[in-house]
Amino acid sequence: KAGVTQTPRYLIKTRGQQVTLSCSPISGHRSVSWYQQTPGQGLQFLFEYFSETQRNKGNFPGRFSGRQFSNSRSEMNVSTLELGDSALYLCASSRGPVGNQPQHFGDGTRLSIL
Amino acid sequence: GESVGLHLPTLSVQEGDNSIINCAYSNSASDYFIWYKQESGKGPQFIIDIRSNMDKRQGQRVTVLLNKTVKHLSLQIAATQPGDSAVYFCAENPPGGYNKLIFGAGTRLAVHP
Repeated sequence: KAGVTQTPRYLIKTRGQQVTLSCSPISGHRSVSWYQQTPGQGLQFLFEYFSETQRNKGNFPGRFSGRQFSNSRSEMNVSTLELGDSALYLCASSRGPVGNQPQHFGDGTRLSIL
Repeated sequence: GESVGLHLPTLSVQEGDNSIINCAYSNSASDYFIWYKQESGKGPQFIIDIRSNMDKRQGQRVTVLLNKTVKHLSLQIAATQPGDSAVYFCAENPPGGYNKLIFGAGTRLAVHP
């Protein structure tokens, strides 16, 4: 069974640009969550989608947005990139609508802002 | 590979010894907890989980202990191997958070032959 797939693995952008990251969850998983990982702040929750609806959002500016498609695949978008947006962006999927169940992560997209 | 965290606390153990990694969680109402292992250049890998109605759960070579009184989790790894070297994170699922996880800062485990 394939795991969570994130594309691209690496991305280099410049300040002011925008970027779209993609996540394909494990087959049968309908919940997709996004996290930002940096050496200084650790792993921080961005948002979660279930059945194409955003159910929860972390404490990030509106430049960070996402969406989920009917096949459960998800994308996140960051507009007007800043140097501080350099991070590893991780996607996790889980099966059902409620918490209390394992979430499985992809290997992330490494975003570098020049 | 990419650095997960430059200044994480480090636990150094000898190969074959048992390891204990500790974690304090933040929300006394959290009812589900997960331990993850993250190797350089990879995403967090699920190790074991525990619900708040349990105080101990065992897997293959790993045991998680939950002490709700002091909001503390621990991960015990038996007969630690070089392949166990990684950063370990605990995560809690707060009430009403759906699938949101709050992560601890992480501990780096270094296994020496």
